[in-house]
This record gives sequence, structure tokens and C-alpha cells, in this order.
Amino acid sequence: AQTVTQSQPEMSVQEAETVTLSCTYDTSESDYYLFWYKQPPSRQMILVIRQEAYKQQNATENRFSVNFQKAAKSFSLKISDSQLGDAAMYFCGNGAGNMLTFGGGTRLMVKP
Amino acid sequence: EPEVTQTPSHQVTQMGQEVILRCVPISNHLYFYWYRQILGQKVEFLVSFYNNEISEKSEIFDDQFSVERPDGSNFTLKIRSTKLEDSAMYFCASSVGGRSYEQYFGPGTRLTVT
Repeated sequence: AQTVTQSQPEMSVQEAETVTLSCTYDTSESDYYLFWYKQPPSRQMILVIRQEAYKQQNATENRFSVNFQKAAKSFSLKISDSQLGDAAMYFCGNGAGNMLTFGGGTRLMVKP
Repeated sequence: EPEVTQTPSHQVTQMGQEVILRCVPISNHLYFYWYRQILGQKVEFLVSFYNNEISEKSEIFDDQFSVERPDGSNFTLKIRSTKLEDSAMYFCASSVGGRSYEQYFGPGTRLTVT
């Protein structure tokens, strides 16, 4: 069984600043992967970043990076140099096999 | 850039009616999925489909639901007898491989059951 918890229902950040979104998870799987998806107002889910749990090095995609703490089962997302287009719902999740399990989401607001 | 498409964008149906939601996955993708998102709630996995059969399904995916790939391009989700609680956004996704390959999501179909 897999569960994902996002403890911040809403976050706001000033444009050009950095923000970190929190995520914790639990899983009974030994072979799993983690990810963040973004859901803008258009509601389409867009992959932001993903990481295999067996990899120690934190994944980075341009302005987006993760802090993966496997022992603590934590997978936070850092957004640097925030832009207005980053405003969206962000869903953390984990996957085992083909099934993705999502958290409840964090709504990120970006202030100009 | 190739994308997953879904039709219709919004479907309104009466309780007890059958509804079919349609998806066209990305053409070279081999794995197909359905997820749903009840308004204000998290996205939930329904089913994955590979090689013309269901590979995984969740507890939500009961006998009222079925999936089919009727031809080389479409992937459908059928709900046999809709209930009020089936009202949700339904997302189709596809991936070139299984497991941790990126799942590309479609724009969703909003299903409203009255």
C-alpha cells in the first residue's frame, strides 16, 4: 500500500523567489519511484520532475529540484526563481509498477 | 509535440445511463491508463492497460467499469450504469514503457452525473 501526504494545502511565493513544497510518503514497495506533477488552471497534469528511489543524487530539472530523504520518506520540491507561470496545483506522488499514487496537492500562488 | 487527446471535454449524463469516455494516446505509446479526480480531491488511479489487457486496477475499478482498445488508436473507458458519485474529471494517460516511464496525461473529460 502507498500513501502520500502533502501537508501544505496552499503556499505563496514572490516572483523570482524560492519556494519549497513538502511531501512525505509511505510505501511497502522496495522498488519505487517518486515524482511531482503540476496541474495549472487548464487542469492538464504535467510532469515536473521524477526520481528513482534507488538513486541517492537529487534530481534537478532547470529551476526545479528535489530534496529526497529516503530514510525520512520525504520528497520535497524546490522551485527557484519563481515565475508567474509556476502558479498551479502541485501533486507529489509515488509509483510502483504502473500505478501512480498522488497526494492531495499544494496550491502555489505566485505574487508579482 | 504529440499529445494525448480526450473526447468529449464535458459529458453530462443521467444516473443509471452508460457512458463511454474516449482517449487517443500518443501513437508510439504502449501503456495506457485512466485516472479520476473528484472535484477538490486527489487524482486517483483507476486502471492500467498493456498488450490488450488490464495490467493493474484499483479498488475503485469495479464491475461497473471496463476499458477497451477497439482499434489501433482509441482507448475507451465505459461506465455501465453511472452513479452520482461517478461525477469527476477523468484523465487518460499513456507512456512508452511501463513502470517509471513518464505518463503523459490528456486534458481530461469532466463527467457530470445528474
